Amino acid sequence: GIQVEQSPPDLILQEGANSTLRCNFSDSVNNLQWFHQNPWGQLINLFYIPSGTKQNGRLSATTVATERYSLLYISSSQTTDSGVYFCAVGWTNAGKSTFGDGTTLTVKP
Amino acid sequence: DTEVTQTPKHLVMGMTNKKSLKCEQHMGHRAMYWYKQKAKKPPELMFVYSYEKLSINESVPSRFSPECPNSSLLNLHLHALQPEDSALYLCASSQVRASPDNEQFFGPGTRLTVL
Repeated sequence: GIQVEQSPPDLILQEGANSTLRCNFSDSVNNLQWFHQNPWGQLINLFYIPSGTKQNGRLSATTVATERYSLLYISSSQTTDSGVYFCAVGWTNAGKSTFGDGTTLTVKP
Repeated sequence: DTEVTQTPKHLVMGMTNKKSLKCEQHMGHRAMYWYKQKAKKPPELMFVYSYEKLSINESVPSRFSPECPNSSLLNLHLHALQPEDSALYLCASSQVRASPDNEQFFGPGTRLTVL
């Protein structure tokens, strides 16, 4: 199956700082999502981005499918950005996605 | 509306109990999923339903029994669970399983404790 590696595993920032989270995957995919899991366990959709670049407020994401990686950028971080960020990748015909181990982000006031 | 609902939010059960988890979506999605998530780990896929038929079972023990009564509802029946089954159980849905546009939407989860 597809291997998914996220880095860094842990990240501690001061409020207002910028950060880049990375997701590497071992095989071709046509399905890639970024999620934020809040402290209550809810997985919140950030981006559906199998290729290209998208932006939503302070967050943006870029996937380079040919080089098998995706990046999530968080600018001007806030304490509410704290939590675990997962990428999940898949290939349509497999009918399922594989999650990376996540990046735990802590934003300090 | 991109909402998936799950009930109950919390569940405590003994090893001899029978209980059920419920998941509902009204987005017209035809694929629904059950995931299990242990603390500090990513979600692990358990089952996938496509058009109300079970299409993927990730070798889940038979003490977990999924059911999809209609296109909006997904149940997970629990019987004779073990303490190590304590976890967050997440339900998700997507438009169609075998499609490039397979964005999954997750419910808030049921936090299960088995005593």
